[in-house]
Amino acid sequence: AQTVTQSQPEMSVQEAETVTLSCTYDTSESDYYLFWYKQPPSRQMILVIRQEAYKQQNATENRFSVNFQKAAKSFSLKISDSQLGDAAMYFCAYRSRLAYALNFGKGTSLLVTP
Amino acid sequence: DTGVSQNPRHKITKRGQNVTFRCDPISEHNRLYWYRQTLGQGPEFLTYFQNEAQLEKSRLLSDRFSAERPKGSFSTLEIQRTEQGDSAMYLCASSSSDREGGYTFGSGTRLTVV
Repeated sequence: AQTVTQSQPEMSVQEAETVTLSCTYDTSESDYYLFWYKQPPSRQMILVIRQEAYKQQNATENRFSVNFQKAAKSFSLKISDSQLGDAAMYFCAYRSRLAYALNFGKGTSLLVTP
Repeated sequence: DTGVSQNPRHKITKRGQNVTFRCDPISEHNRLYWYRQTLGQGPEFLTYFQNEAQLEKSRLLSDRFSAERPKGSFSTLEIQRTEQGDSAMYLCASSSSDREGGYTFGSGTRLTVV
């Protein structure tokens, strides 16, 4: 089974600054999807950004961007111009193209300070 | 469309009792997933439906757990003879096969077994 590792249990960033959350994964497959989800204290998981493994170009969604290094099996999330509303648990997830289950990491708790 | 709806939001039950949760997915989504999330962990996949067919089940889904999706609309997850270890947040998500990877999660049902 594919494993997803988030090595930073907690991260802190000042408002308006940039922060990068790390994620590595283990797979023998070449075609898959990677995701970052945000889970605010209200508990509803929200999709932040999605990357398809066959695409070389890193995905970007407004202030959120990823650094996808396929050979290194690394998928980090960069949040620019951090806002107080960005404070949440962030989960990295992997999905094989051949299956439907998302494999999640343990999450990184992001604190945003004024 | 108000997104993925889950009921109840909270459930407290005595050990040994049966509980049932309901999930109403986004109406045009043909895929539905159940996940379980314990404190400090990422969600773990339980089962997947495409329309009314249950196509994938995790080993986590013991024989005390059963899920249905009659007519390919809402879904129910039943846990029989609950145990304290079943205490968790149960998350439902849905997606469309027209757009790979874009899951929408509900707010979850928090189960406490006392």
